[in-house]
Amino acid sequence: QVQLQQSGPGLVKPSQTLSLTCAISGDSVSSKSAAWNWIRQSPSRGLEWLGRTYYRSKWSNDYAVSVKSRIIVTPDTSKNQFSMQLSSVTPEDTAVYYCARQQLGGCDYWGQGTLVTVSS
Amino acid sequence: QSVLTQPPSASGTPGQRVTISCSGSNSNIGRNTVNWYQQFPGTAPKLLIYGNDQRPSGVPDRFSGSKSGTSASLAISGLQSEDEADYYCAAWDDSLKEVFGGGTKLTVL
Repeated sequence: QVQLQQSGPGLVKPSQTLSLTCAISGDSVSSKSAAWNWIRQSPSRGLEWLGRTYYRSKWSNDYAVSVKSRIIVTPDTSKNQFSMQLSSVTPEDTAVYYCARQQLGGCDYWGQGTLVTVSS
Repeated sequence: QSVLTQPPSASGTPGQRVTISCSGSNSNIGRNTVNWYQQFPGTAPKLLIYGNDQRPSGVPDRFSGSKSGTSASLAISGLQSEDEADYYCAAWDDSLKEVFGGGTKLTVL
C-alpha cells in the first residue's frame, strides 16, 4: 500500500520560501511508471496543480505556468521522498498543499495535506 | 476562472442517475485524457475515473466517465447519500500543463 507523508511548516512569512517534503512508502520515487506531484487547494483558486518530478531514463520536471519562476520540485532518492520549494510567497499562496503520486494519468495516492498560511 | 468549466452544483434523489459535465478546449480535453476526482470536506481528493472512462480498483461501477470532443462527463447511477461530495475533472493542457475544473458540489436530496 502506497503512503505519502507530508511534512513542513504551517506558517511562512511573506517573501520567504515555502518548503514541503513528501515521504514515500510502498513505492519508489525513482519508479519509471510514476510521477510525483504537488497540488494546492484554496477557496479562491480551487485545485491548482503546481508541478511534478519523474524518472524515466533521466529526471525531469514539469511546472505550472503560474508558478514556474518560483517553484522547484526535487527528488531525494536516498530518503525516498520528494520536496517542493516555492519562493517569494505572498498571502495568495495560502492554501492546503498536497503531494500526490500520478500513475496511469491520474493521481491515485495523496498525502494528508498541509495547511500553509502566508502571514507576517 | 478555471480552465475546465464545471457546473458549480448538481443534485439528485437516491436511486437517480446524475451527470456532471466538464467543458474544455482543443488544447486539453480535445487532445488528452480526462480524470475525475471525488472529495469530501477536510480530506484529499480521491481518483474516481482516469483515462476518460477507467475506474481504479475499488471504485463502484455506479461511477462512469465519458468524453466527446472537448467535453467530458461523469455519470453516477443509483445515487446514494454517501455520494454527496465535490467532484472535479482534470486534464493535461498542452500549454498550461495539468488543469482542473472548478468543481461541482453534488447534493443528494
